[in-house]
Amino acid sequence: DQQVKQNSPSLSVQEGRISILNCDYTNSMFDYFLWYKKYPAEGPTFLISISSIKDKNEDGRFTVFLNKSAKHLSLHIVPSQPGDSAVYFCAASASYGNFNKFYFGSGTKLNVKP
Amino acid sequence: DAGVIQSPRHEVTEMGQEVTLRCKPISGHDYLFWYRQTMMRGLELLIYFNNNVPIDDSGMPEDRFSAKMPNASFSTLKIQPSEPRDSAVYFCASSPRDSKETQYFGPGTRLLVL
Repeated sequence: DQQVKQNSPSLSVQEGRISILNCDYTNSMFDYFLWYKKYPAEGPTFLISISSIKDKNEDGRFTVFLNKSAKHLSLHIVPSQPGDSAVYFCAASASYGNFNKFYFGSGTKLNVKP
Repeated sequence: DAGVIQSPRHEVTEMGQEVTLRCKPISGHDYLFWYRQTMMRGLELLIYFNNNVPIDDSGMPEDRFSAKMPNASFSTLKIQPSEPRDSAVYFCASSPRDSKETQYFGPGTRLLVL
């Protein structure tokens, strides 16, 4: 039962262009969403997050958009750089009283071509 | 500042043997998480602790898996007895009290059970 889905296993983009990574979720209890970046042989690294009370959060070249009605979020990287080539994981968190549940998508491998 | 430290980085063992994975979280972080990453199931949360107390262990696959956090700076994940299907990358992560969703991951332990 995958509650967070990344339907594109891979994405290839030219350097300087926009990269758009997508994520869908099913659980309406999710109240916090995050994107992580992962390089080979390393652990995931936090990139950017958004609370469910917002629809956009921006940090430099990275912007996350949240569409709650569609249960969809996306990560925009502008402009894309070769160093952005990595696997990107979407994650979501839901609060249930005094504990939380955390879920990750399966990841999208981004390749930024020079 | 040292990040999350995991040991060993690689472990090869035979079916039936006991495996112990170790984690040292970032100093001052209140939360500690154990994840497993496989090709089939992606990144799954196994268990997490708050102030050394297990909060949610619903992701622990079987009784063969156990996790402890005897103090704020150390945690173990034990598999006894190990099976080939336990082969995966195991990540430990920690997060601060005021931002438990923003998790800092260790480099992972790659486990191969023959």
